[in-house]
Amino acid sequence: SSELTQDPAVSVALGQTVRITCQGDSLRSYYASWYQQKPGQAPVLVIYGKNNRPSGIPDRFSGSSSGNTASLTITGAQAEDEADYYCNSRDSSGNHLFGGGTKLTVL
Amino acid sequence: QVQLVQSGAEVKKPGASVKVSCKASGYTFTSYYMHWVRQAPGQGLEWMGIINPSGGSTSYAQKFQGRVTMTRDTSTSTVYMELSSLRSEDTAVYYCARDMGYYGSGRPTDAFDIWGQGTMVTVSS
Repeated sequence: SSELTQDPAVSVALGQTVRITCQGDSLRSYYASWYQQKPGQAPVLVIYGKNNRPSGIPDRFSGSSSGNTASLTITGAQAEDEADYYCNSRDSSGNHLFGGGTKLTVL
Repeated sequence: QVQLVQSGAEVKKPGASVKVSCKASGYTFTSYYMHWVRQAPGQGLEWMGIINPSGGSTSYAQKFQGRVTMTRDTSTSTVYMELSSLRSEDTAVYYCARDMGYYGSGRPTDAFDIWGQGTMVTVSS
């Protein structure tokens, strides 16, 4: 099916590690990209491809993939990481789709 | 610096059309595809389609087929997204986002690396 499924909300204690997952059939063939969005702001690319970070993204952000699941891991979460996170992938027709988003709370 | 600057907020009546612009600067406009993404209030991101600024070819999400038209003007490095037959459910922030392109191997990155600031479109009678 052409859907990407994310947990609606995840929480993490300050300084701890958190994994945000994204499931979908398209992820068996295509890498996910991950976007961070803070309230009132445009999304920002944080991870793409196998595990690539754009310039300026802290190295505490990393990505991985296995089977139909892609994961975004934040190692040592900071208060400024509190945001919504969206995965994206292309599907077999070449179109793109987004996951429903995960709201990350840093406690 | 590389940036995308979008047109201002719009208020439209149901049944009308809206045309949002996205002006690119700081890079070669025709070298990178452009996507359009929207976000309804309090909701997630929704991919609408993609345009190749070089040749003008487009591909639209099935949901918007027949209602959306994406065009470009290479003389001004601007892409446009027009949505017709507006209804209240089209109330959203509309973003343009640059496709990052290809790895050196030729494989697409499938990532959106630069985003416009967003354009709020409100559909209300």
